[in-house]
Amino acid sequence: DAKTTQPPSMDCAEGRAANLPCNHSTISGNEYVYWYRQIHSQGPQYIIHGLKNNETNEMASLIITEDRKSSTLILPHATLRDTAVYYCIVRVGQGAQKLVFGQGTRLTINP
Amino acid sequence: DAGVIQSPRHEVTEMGQEVTLRCKPISGHDYLFWYRQTMMRGLELLIYFNNNVPIDDSGMPEDRFSAKMPNASFSTLKIQPSEPRDSAVYFCASSLGAQPINQPQHFGDGTRLSIL
Repeated sequence: DAKTTQPPSMDCAEGRAANLPCNHSTISGNEYVYWYRQIHSQGPQYIIHGLKNNETNEMASLIITEDRKSSTLILPHATLRDTAVYYCIVRVGQGAQKLVFGQGTRLTINP
Repeated sequence: DAGVIQSPRHEVTEMGQEVTLRCKPISGHDYLFWYRQTMMRGLELLIYFNNNVPIDDSGMPEDRFSAKMPNASFSTLKIQPSEPRDSAVYFCASSLGAQPINQPQHFGDGTRLSIL
């Protein structure tokens, strides 16, 4: 699976949009971008995934660049409960089930 | 719907004792995963099952660790004998199939294991 690079930490004001970047310059054509987050003392929580088109669900939006070498997770109206470590993971669409977690981005939402 | 259920939530035991962690996956899910999280190594996959059969156990640290899945609704991770370096949070996750693509994994809240 392709390696990802994320900033170690970010801050965002409550109510504002939180934009979390992820670089995956070695991504292959059959690899998807997945985002998970881990709130303190809880298990990781699936947020969203995509291949090349932008995706949106009730939790977030995922913007993938045209060359697919980077992506941005957007939390449109961040709340204090969004404070967590966010993991960007690239994995193949089929086959190996392994999720490889990096260090992620520690997002702090400030009141 | 109930999520992945792990027990116990916390376990403190002495070195050398046997430890058994338990997991009930989400009903209908056919993949089950065991992960371990430590400050030093982060989150790492230990083993996963498909339809109760172990598929990849390359992450199991050593022979002291074993995992079983006797049926679709129950799995155990056993450490015997336990050592202080086994102290970590152990997560179980499950997912529904791999069609058309690998489906998201849903995690339990983990078992915090402390070996004294």
